[in-house]
Amino acid sequence: AQSVTQLGSHVSVSEGALVLLRCNYSSSVPPYLFWYVQYPNQGLQLLLKYTSAATLVKGINGFEAEFKKSETSFHLTKPSAHMSDAAEYFCAVSDRSGGSYIPTFGRGTSLIVHP
Amino acid sequence: EAGVAQSPRYKIIEKRQSVAFWCNPISGHATLYWYQQILGQGPKLLIQFQNNGVVDDSQLPKDRFSAERLKGVDSTLKIQPAKLEDSAVYLCASSPGTPASVGNSPLHFGNGTRLTVT
Repeated sequence: AQSVTQLGSHVSVSEGALVLLRCNYSSSVPPYLFWYVQYPNQGLQLLLKYTSAATLVKGINGFEAEFKKSETSFHLTKPSAHMSDAAEYFCAVSDRSGGSYIPTFGRGTSLIVHP
Repeated sequence: EAGVAQSPRYKIIEKRQSVAFWCNPISGHATLYWYQQILGQGPKLLIQFQNNGVVDDSQLPKDRFSAERLKGVDSTLKIQPAKLEDSAVYLCASSPGTPASVGNSPLHFGNGTRLTVT
């Protein structure tokens, strides 16, 4: 079964600093990969997705992620953190299982942004 | 387009009681998902529908949980009887793709129903 590992349940940065949220997946075949963001008391919203067209994927709000097959990683970055980026971030994979694609989520990383 | 609608937003029940959640997906979305999100954890898939058929329910505790998607549109998730460990946010999501091609289609989530079992 597909699994997703997000290193670090909490990441704390200062406003204006680089954001790096880590995600590793387990699969012998590159799956479809996604990052979602969840603000308090809301559902998840799509930040970006990887579908094999390009290894560097740009998303909304200045976020981007790089797919590295050799490292089975899909880390999320943003050059300069903003206070409004404080939220929970989830990495997800969608892999074929029994003829259907089953989306699986990591446990999430809480991004804390200090002024 | 209107988003995924869920109700109620909050529900508090006592253990051994029953509860039902309702979801209305985005119009035209064939695939519907129910996820359970326990505090501090990522969403866990409970059941996946394509139209009104079940694609995957391998993680649904079938002794107490049930779900249906009549007419391939709205869906309800029921818990009977509830246990303390069922306290969580229940998220509904929909996707325009079919399960065979939905791999690269992102999920559109509702705001969830927060269930507290006392």
